[in-house]
Amino acid sequence: GAVVSQHPSWVICKSGTSVKIECRSLDFQATTMFWYRQFPKQSLMLMATSNEGSKATYEQGVEKDKFLINHASLTLSTLTVTSAHPEDSSFYICSATGQQETQYFGPGTRLLVL
Amino acid sequence: DAKTTQPPSMDCAEGRAANLPCNHSTISGNEYVYWYRQIHSQGPQYIIHGLKNNETNEMASLIITEDRKSSTLILPHATLRDTAVYYCTAGMDSSYKLIFGSGTRLLVRP
Repeated sequence: GAVVSQHPSWVICKSGTSVKIECRSLDFQATTMFWYRQFPKQSLMLMATSNEGSKATYEQGVEKDKFLINHASLTLSTLTVTSAHPEDSSFYICSATGQQETQYFGPGTRLLVL
Repeated sequence: DAKTTQPPSMDCAEGRAANLPCNHSTISGNEYVYWYRQIHSQGPQYIIHGLKNNETNEMASLIITEDRKSSTLILPHATLRDTAVYYCTAGMDSSYKLIFGSGTRLLVRP
């Protein structure tokens, strides 16, 4: 149990376009989802916390207008990178939690902006 | 948020126990200790967590010191597939944000 999926697993886009990444909890209801990003050879950096039906809470330094997060249902959260630029190229990972005592992570989405 | 400190790298021989330490001297009384690992280019995998008592599951054992300022993750019989970056982190419960440090890169040698 406790499976979290992400789609797509990788995406290449042109600079200036927007990219949407989906995070789904497959076998549980996720009241809270988290979005992280990870640059090569670095640790995970928390971007935002999202609770179902309410606005996301962004970490300091993360632009809320650039990284739009929507958590419209108990099994789906989306991260939209708006007007993507090469510096947004990274590995984006979500995690989800419900009634369990721990968070479960998705497999990640690799974004390359040309 | 409790800050965690881990050695940057460790290695062990295949079949032997791997003992990974973590320092969390600023952990508060109601924060759990969580361990995750990340194999290259994948999302982190949950291993184990604990509050005060030692814990064991099919993957590992977690030993937490009595003062809760440090813990050790034990992989009893390491295999080559256990080569990964291991992260120790802390949080009050699963809905609380987890802050990841640099982790320990474990290399299991044949």
